[in-house]
Amino acid sequence: KAGVTQTPRYLIKTRGQQVTLSCSPISGHRSVSWYQQTPGQGLQFLFEYFSETQRNKGNFPGRFSGRQFSNSRSEMNVSTLELGDSALYLCASSFSTGSGEQYFGPGTRLTVT
Amino acid sequence: AQKITQTQPGMFVQEKEAVTLDCTYDTSDQSYGLFWYKQPSSGEMIFLIYQGSYDEQNATEGRYSLNFQKARKSANLVISASQLGDSAMYFCAMRESNSNYQLIWGAGTKLIIKP
Repeated sequence: KAGVTQTPRYLIKTRGQQVTLSCSPISGHRSVSWYQQTPGQGLQFLFEYFSETQRNKGNFPGRFSGRQFSNSRSEMNVSTLELGDSALYLCASSFSTGSGEQYFGPGTRLTVT
Repeated sequence: AQKITQTQPGMFVQEKEAVTLDCTYDTSDQSYGLFWYKQPSSGEMIFLIYQGSYDEQNATEGRYSLNFQKARKSANLVISASQLGDSAMYFCAMRESNSNYQLIWGAGTKLIIKP
């Protein structure tokens, strides 16, 4: 069974631009969660989608948004990029929401200059 | 207050020795789950082991076992017979209904296995 895939793996953007990251979960998994990892803040939860609905949201500004498609693939968008958005963005999938282990993709490393 | 505390920022262990990575947690929930993940330098987060709060037996997965002491709110990861490939960051995480089941993470422990 294929694992979680994330594209692109690396991205360099300029302040003020916007970016879209993509995540394809493990086949059969319907829950997708997004996390931001930085050296200073560690791992922080962004949001979770299940069956195309946002089920849970972390404490991030509205510039961070996401969506999930009917095939469970998810995208995350960050608008008006700031230097502090430079991070590793990890996507995780699980069979259902609320329980069970999450399986992570390799991450997208975003650098904002 | 920190929900997940990993008190060891870094550890050096000799190859083939066993190693214990500490994790304490804070929750008022009766139903919760505890997880350990490994993150090599490549960045991918690898699931290692899971312990449910109602599980009476300690979880084991190959060389990994979880020393679950519920009364002490402790969920230490034990790696037996460490290998050079075990060098990585290790994160303890928790899911609880009080936090809408989102994963709450500890700061991590950087484990380095010495040959």
